[in-house]
Amino acid sequence: NAGVTQTPKFRVLKTGQSMTLLCAQDMNHEYMYWYRQDPGMGLRLIHYSVGEGTTAKGEVPDGYNVSRLKKQNFLLGLESAAPSQTSVYFCASSYSMGRRGGELFFGEGSRLTVL
Amino acid sequence: SQQGEEDPQALSIQEGENATMNCSYKTSINNLQWYRQNSGRGLVHLILIRSNEREKHSGRLRVTLDTSKKSSSLLITASRAADTASYFCEMGGTSYGKLTFGQGTILTVHP
Repeated sequence: NAGVTQTPKFRVLKTGQSMTLLCAQDMNHEYMYWYRQDPGMGLRLIHYSVGEGTTAKGEVPDGYNVSRLKKQNFLLGLESAAPSQTSVYFCASSYSMGRRGGELFFGEGSRLTVL
Repeated sequence: SQQGEEDPQALSIQEGENATMNCSYKTSINNLQWYRQNSGRGLVHLILIRSNEREKHSGRLRVTLDTSKKSSSLLITASRAADTASYFCEMGGTSYGKLTFGQGTILTVHP
């Protein structure tokens, strides 16, 4: 099993360009998440999904959009990239969440640089 | 919103020593989990402790939870150089919703 796969792993963008990060999981998990990780800031939740066709805002959603058209995929889009979005992005999935304490399975990260 | 703080921010020890890192939080939780992140990699789950538990063990890991003090600690016994990584706590809330991570502790174990 591949687990959680993120593509691309690296990307350099110019300010104002758009792009989409793809996350795919093969564990049949209902819940999926996008985090960003910045030095000294830990992990911050951008958006999450509790099932196919659903999305919800996390802690830092501004400037990002997401879609969960298929259960196994969770897409993170940047419509107009800004230098402040330079970060490492992690996708994660879990069987359960919150109260039931589902273990998160993480991808290897996507390093995005916006010039 | 739930905020977590980890202490210390960085810890440097010799192989064979024990490493203790702490996590404090503000609002009630149902469970708390610890994760490890090797440099340049994704996070990997280590252990989960539920709010009605006080201590759990897994191999060289020992986790405690004190809900009255809203804090948890992760003890790694007999540390090895391969334990060098960042360690994060994640707080599962009492409501159906978001998951919050602490800032992380950077552990360096010198051979």
